[in-house]
Amino acid sequence: AQTVTQSQPEMSVQEAETVTLSCTYDTSESDYYLFWYKQPPSRQMILVIRQEAYKQQNATENRFSVNFQKAAKSFSLKISDSQLGDAAMYFCAYWGTTGANNLFFGTGTRLTVIP
Amino acid sequence: ETGVTQTPRHLVMGMTNKKSLKCEQHLGHNAMYWYKQSAKKPLELMFVYNFKEQTENNSVPSRFSPECPNSSHLFLHLHTLQPEDSALYLCASSQEGTRLAFFGQGTRLTVV
Repeated sequence: AQTVTQSQPEMSVQEAETVTLSCTYDTSESDYYLFWYKQPPSRQMILVIRQEAYKQQNATENRFSVNFQKAAKSFSLKISDSQLGDAAMYFCAYWGTTGANNLFFGTGTRLTVIP
Repeated sequence: ETGVTQTPRHLVMGMTNKKSLKCEQHLGHNAMYWYKQSAKKPLELMFVYNFKEQTENNSVPSRFSPECPNSSHLFLHLHTLQPEDSALYLCASSQEGTRLAFFGQGTRLTVV
């Protein structure tokens, strides 16, 4: 079964600085998708970034980028130039291409941005 | 307006009540999901519907009863719930094969 592990329950970062959130996963599949979702106090789960496992290039969306290490089964999120609006819960998630047609989530990392 | 709308946003119910959660998606997707989010636990998949047919029931107690009358609407009927069922219930939708899901804002359920 797929498992997603986020070992940092809480992180903090100074405004304008850079922070990296960690995620590891376990799977026997060779092709799959990885995601970072953001959940602000409004509770809506918002997609931040998606990575396809067969693509070697790391995904980037503006200030958000990932470091995808397929062999190590590691998928970290880097937030550059942190803003107050980045404060939220961040969830790492996995979606395979065989078997269950749904997302598997980690337990989340609460990010605090310090002004 | 978000692509996935959930109502109500908050719900308090007694253990003997019957209530329903509603989810509507405006994205033209053909798959819909119910997830349960409890504190300090990963989101738990409850049900999956593809083309209105239930394709997954993740060992959910029968006091939760899903209904998907069409590909745009999904309901979760609740009856005789327990206090441990208090949680945030999230609905999501996706287009089959895209591996891309969009979520609603959730219903915060409190069972007293």
